[in-house]
Amino acid sequence: EVQLVQSGGEGRKPGESLKISCQASGYSFTNYWIVWVRQMPGKGLEWMGIVYPGDSDTRYGPSFRGQVTISADTSVSTAYLQWDSLKASDTAMYYCARQGDGGRPFDSWGQGTLVTVSS
Amino acid sequence: EIVMTQSPATLSVSPGERATLSCRASQSVSTNLAWYQQSPGQAPRLLIYGASTRATGIPARFSGSGSGTEFALTISSLQSEDVAVYYCQQYHHWVPVTFGQGTKVEIK
Repeated sequence: EVQLVQSGGEGRKPGESLKISCQASGYSFTNYWIVWVRQMPGKGLEWMGIVYPGDSDTRYGPSFRGQVTISADTSVSTAYLQWDSLKASDTAMYYCARQGDGGRPFDSWGQGTLVTVSS
Repeated sequence: EIVMTQSPATLSVSPGERATLSCRASQSVSTNLAWYQQSPGQAPRLLIYGASTRATGIPARFSGSGSGTEFALTISSLQSEDVAVYYCQQYHHWVPVTFGQGTKVEIK
């Protein structure tokens, strides 16, 4: 069974750093893309970026390039989303999901990680 | 980037009745269109891909149609567990993938 298990909710102050994770199991981690999706409170789904663990190829959405860093560690089948300096506007639920190679739908999702940024 | 527009924003339907949700793309996405269901407090779940193929385990009352720029999701007989927000997504141009703003389905 394909599973994506995300790290627990986090609370931070503006300006602090944070790294959240998404651990995959039940399939070959290196053969599928992992995508990160933001959902701000009461809002819709936004594509942030994507990583291919097989060769670390990473792409970012225009609104997120330079704001976050996406990475993957094949030794622990885990993808990461990190911020160097959080803003209050980063408060949101963050989901990871699996995507097949090329243009494919997201066929499996993590449970979400709630990030709260407040002074 | 391709803009996806869903209508209506909210749909109120009586139990057992049909619900039809619409999604329009700003340019052709062929049949590279998916629908997701997000139940309250849950992560999204893939319902339909390739515009009309049900994902594994999805009940037959859910069906998708369309190609190019116009798409629809139909729930043939609404059940209480179908209360959710439904999102369409194009993956024809997948950097970035884009979602519609969502349609909230509620019980009348």
